[in-house]
Amino acid sequence: IAGITQAPTSQILAAGRRMTLRCTQDMRHNAMYWYRQDLGLGLRLIHYSNTAGTTGKGEVPDGYSVSRANTDDFPLTLASAVPSQTSVYFCASSDSRGWGGYTFGSGTRLTVV
Amino acid sequence: SQKIEQNSEALNIQEGKTATLTCNYTNYSPAYLQWYRQDPGRGPVFLLLIRENEKEKRKERLKVTFDTTLKQSLFHITASQPADSATYLCALRDRGSTLGRLYFGRGTQLTVWP
Repeated sequence: IAGITQAPTSQILAAGRRMTLRCTQDMRHNAMYWYRQDLGLGLRLIHYSNTAGTTGKGEVPDGYSVSRANTDDFPLTLASAVPSQTSVYFCASSDSRGWGGYTFGSGTRLTVV
Repeated sequence: SQKIEQNSEALNIQEGKTATLTCNYTNYSPAYLQWYRQDPGRGPVFLLLIRENEKEKRKERLKVTFDTTLKQSLFHITASQPADSATYLCALRDRGSTLGRLYFGRGTQLTVWP
């Protein structure tokens, strides 16, 4: 089934630890995105990539980094986790124009303690 | 500042009635607007897209309108069913932003009771 796979589904992480959230898509979409969703704040864009080899910063990029070595994979790394990064993280992809809407993964629920 | 506001956080209606959800935006110039459905513990699922030069779009029991003068989109679910209960998100692509990048509202939680 075409779509986006995120891993892990959930994680409890000690503050100060490094972690990478994985995201893989099989739709050959050019564009990929990382959002975080917090109660009362909605979806906020962390980083995006319009095509393999390029990335850009969204609204809340601090403390996060991404890479886009190929079309399918778009990992999100927390270099040194802090409690304010406790959230649900969604990876999404779309064609270049977004006409067909975004396809979202099922999310990673991260708790930083 | 730029804002996307969706009407009341929660909307409760009786089965069979029409649900109407509102999305208002400020200081954006949308190229298009999209609506998504999100169920608890899941990612949003794309429902409909309406372009800036379109007034209305329909898909089965769903209807979306777009009024760029009022800076508003309305999302209607006719003959609503309990299975329609979910959170609905509106999102727009600003003409001045990176291609494909969307800005999301906070969502309206719809409950349809029997």
